[in-house]
Amino acid sequence: DAGVTQSPTHLIKTRGQQVTLRCSPKSGHDTVSWYQQALGQGPQFIFQYYEEEERQRGNFPDRFSGHQFPNYSSELNVNALLLGDSALYLCASSLVPGQGGNTIYFGEGSWLTVV
Amino acid sequence: AQSVTQLDSQVPVFEEAPVELRCNYSSSVSVYLFWYVQYPNQGLQLLLKYLSGSTLVKGINGFEAEFNKSQTSFHLRKPSVHISDTAEYFCAVTNSNSGYALNFGKGTSLLVTP
Repeated sequence: DAGVTQSPTHLIKTRGQQVTLRCSPKSGHDTVSWYQQALGQGPQFIFQYYEEEERQRGNFPDRFSGHQFPNYSSELNVNALLLGDSALYLCASSLVPGQGGNTIYFGEGSWLTVV
Repeated sequence: AQSVTQLDSQVPVFEEAPVELRCNYSSSVSVYLFWYVQYPNQGLQLLLKYLSGSTLVKGINGFEAEFNKSQTSFHLRKPSVHISDTAEYFCAVTNSNSGYALNFGKGTSLLVTP
């Protein structure tokens, strides 16, 4: 049973560029969330997708956007990259967001470096 | 609003010694609490979670945590650590108001030495 898979694992972008990160949830999961983890910090919640809609959003600017596809996979897009966007981006999947006890599984992340 | 404070940024400990990693939280509503571990260059792995019921929660790899509502704490313990326990540990809280998004602490770096 494949867990949460993310791509790419590492990438380098230039300030002002745009980036797309991809995530496939664990088999059977329908909810995908994205987190940003800066070096030496805990993960910060970006947003959550369920039934192809953004359900919850953290304190991130509109430069951060996402999408969920009918097969539950998801993309995170970041426009107009800033140096401060350099971080590990973690995708997490779970079942039905309304049930808080459901375990959230994380992928190994995509390392983004903005130069 | 909810928040998590991990009281120690680094905890050095000798192999086979006991360890406690401290976590305090604040929330205006009932919460669910979690501990995750992150090994170098990897994602997060769930160690244990508290949802309700018994305040002592047992997790994987010999870890356990105790939920203390009056002290708003959820400290993680292990009676005897191994070198392989060296990692970053994150405490997280969630509740219905946040749509069950996880709110993480800044992490505690556990370094186990021989």
